[in-house]
Amino acid sequence: ELKVEQNPLFLSMQEGKNYTIYCNYSTTSDRLYWYRQDPGKSLESLFVLLSNGAVKQEGRLMASLDTKARLSTLHITAAVHDLSATYFCAGKETSGSRLTFGEGTQLTVNP
Amino acid sequence: DVKVTQSSRYLVKRTGEKVFLECVQDMDHENMFWYRQDPGLGLRLIYFSYDVKMKEKGDIPEGYSVSREKKERFSLILESASTNQTSMYLCASSLWASGGTGTQYFGPGTRLLVL
Repeated sequence: ELKVEQNPLFLSMQEGKNYTIYCNYSTTSDRLYWYRQDPGKSLESLFVLLSNGAVKQEGRLMASLDTKARLSTLHITAAVHDLSATYFCAGKETSGSRLTFGEGTQLTVNP
Repeated sequence: DVKVTQSSRYLVKRTGEKVFLECVQDMDHENMFWYRQDPGLGLRLIYFSYDVKMKEKGDIPEGYSVSREKKERFSLILESASTNQTSMYLCASSLWASGGTGTQYFGPGTRLLVL
C-alpha cells in the first residue's frame, strides 16, 4: 500500500525567500502529482512528474522527482503572498488509477 | 479545459435524511472519485468508479453508496445522514492512466452540514 508523507505540514515564510517542500512515498509509484488548494476552494493541478529525474517549472514553483530516493520536492523561489495556499503531493501506484495524497503543506507567505 | 461540476456548493440537511450529491464531468473520463476532506485528516477516498455501473470502495465507504448510470455522472448517496458526515465533499475525474497522465481534476466541492 502506497503511503505519502509531506513535510513540513506548516510553513511560514517571508516574501522573497526560497524554500522547499518534501514529499516522500513508501513504495514504487510511477507518477507523482502536485496540487494547490486555496482556502475554501477545491484542488487545482500544478504538476505531474512521470519519470525519474523529471523537473517541471511554472513561475516561482519547480517540482522534481527522484524515484530511487522515493522523493519529490516542490521548490519555491522568491516567494510572494499570492503563493499562500495548501500544497498537496499525491502518488499513483503502478496499477490502477487511485491516487494517495499527502497530508498537505499549509504555506503562508508574509510581507 | 476539463470541467467537473458538483450540484451544490453548500448544503444543509437534517440527521436521518437521504442526501444526494451529484458530480458531472464533460471530458469523457473513465474514472470518477468521491473524497471527503476534513481539517487535520486530509483527503480520504470514499468510493471510485472506473466505468459505467462499476464501483469500488475507497478507504471510508461506510455510510455511503454511489451510482454511476452514465459515464459523465457519478452520484454520492448518504443513505441516512449523520452529524459526523458534515464535511467538504470533493468529486474528481481522470482518464484511464494508460491513456493519459492520470491527473485527477477536481470539482469545486460541496460543503455539507448535517444538523
